[in-house]
Parts: sequence; structure tokens; C-alpha cells
Amino acid sequence: NAGVMQNPRHLVRRRGQEARLRCSPMKGHSHVYWYRQLPEEGLKFMVYLQKENIIDESGMPKERFSAEFPKEGPSILRIQQVVRGDSAAYFCASSPGTSFEQFFGPGTRLTVL
Amino acid sequence: GQQLNQSPQSMFIQEGEDVSMNCTSSSIFNTWLWYKQDPGEGPVLLIALYKAGELTSNGRLTAQFGITRKDSFLNISASIPSDVGIYFCAGQGSGTYKYIFGTGTRLKVLA
Repeated sequence: NAGVMQNPRHLVRRRGQEARLRCSPMKGHSHVYWYRQLPEEGLKFMVYLQKENIIDESGMPKERFSAEFPKEGPSILRIQQVVRGDSAAYFCASSPGTSFEQFFGPGTRLTVL
Repeated sequence: GQQLNQSPQSMFIQEGEDVSMNCTSSSIFNTWLWYKQDPGEGPVLLIALYKAGELTSNGRLTAQFGITRKDSFLNISASIPSDVGIYFCAGQGSGTYKYIFGTGTRLKVLA
């Protein structure tokens, strides 16, 4: 039973480019959460999605950031016109419902040059 | 954003020693989760707690859901070198799907 999968594991972008981070939840999980982690810090909630719906994006910056979880395919976290401050590890977690544990993927480490 | 306070922030211990760490909050939680994160990896779920006072074990790990519902504790017995890593607590309040994560306890084991 495969766990949460994220790709790419490492992503390097120049300032102004776009970054697309993908997350495939565990089989049977329809709830996806994105978190951001800076070095030496904990995880900060960004957005919570169910299939085709954004439930809560209160932790996501209003500009340049967007997320989707289409009916088919992985969830995508998209960062447009990246800046150096976007450099961080981005983790996706999934769960079968809101009252259940969240299981994390290995993360995507974004470096903005 | 809101974060839970974890204590201690970091600790060096000798192999074979027992380890204790805790997580405190000003809010009441209905669920507590404990994760371990190795460098360059995602957090791995260790223990989940759902009831106040609950004591749950997973091998050498034991976690407790505090009676006040505002704290939780994790103990590691007879530590080994592979216990090195960062341990995070996460709490979920009533009527919310969000987990608030702690600041982490960095554990280093001296062989």
C-alpha cells in the first residue's frame, strides 16, 4: 500500500519562474493538506482540499500561490513568480477524513536562486 | 500562526537512557499526534491519542494525552542512535480539521 507520494523531491527555480509541486495521496484518502516548513521550524498549514474543492486556504498567501485537487490526478500546489523567500520544504499530507490522522509525503524542497 | 510549545527544544542523551518530552497549549485539543522527522524526510506518525488520560505505546515509545486536554507527553525508553531526529506534536481542536504543530524537540543520542 503506497504512502503519500510527492514529486519532485527537489526543485530549483530562478526568481520569477513558476513552481509546480505534485502530491498523490494514499489510496482511499480524499483529503489533502499542504504544509510549509522553513529550516529549524515546525510545519505551517497552508491549504486543505478535498476532491475538486478547496475547503480552507487560510494559510496560503493570497498572491502567487494556488492549489487544486482535481477529480483525476494528483493535487498541485502552484507558486507563480517565485521569490527567494519561497525557498522551503513543502509537505503534503492525506487522510481518509477530517477526524483521522494525517500521513505525510517525503516533501518537495524548493530552492529559489 | 498558532503553535504549540514543545519542551525541551533540544536534548543530548546517552544511548540507553530514557527520554521525556512534552507539548503544551493554551487551547483544548481532542486529538494529539506525535511525529518523528528525519533530515530530508517527511514526518512519520508515531502515536495517535484520542481521549484525555489515554496512554498509548508503540514499541519503546509511550505517549499520554494530558487530563486537562492541553498537553501531551512522549517518552522513549532505552534510546538508541536511530532515535535521533526531530519529534513534533500536533493537536486538533473540536470542530476543526486543522492540526497545529509544535515547535519540535531535536533529539541527539550519543553512542
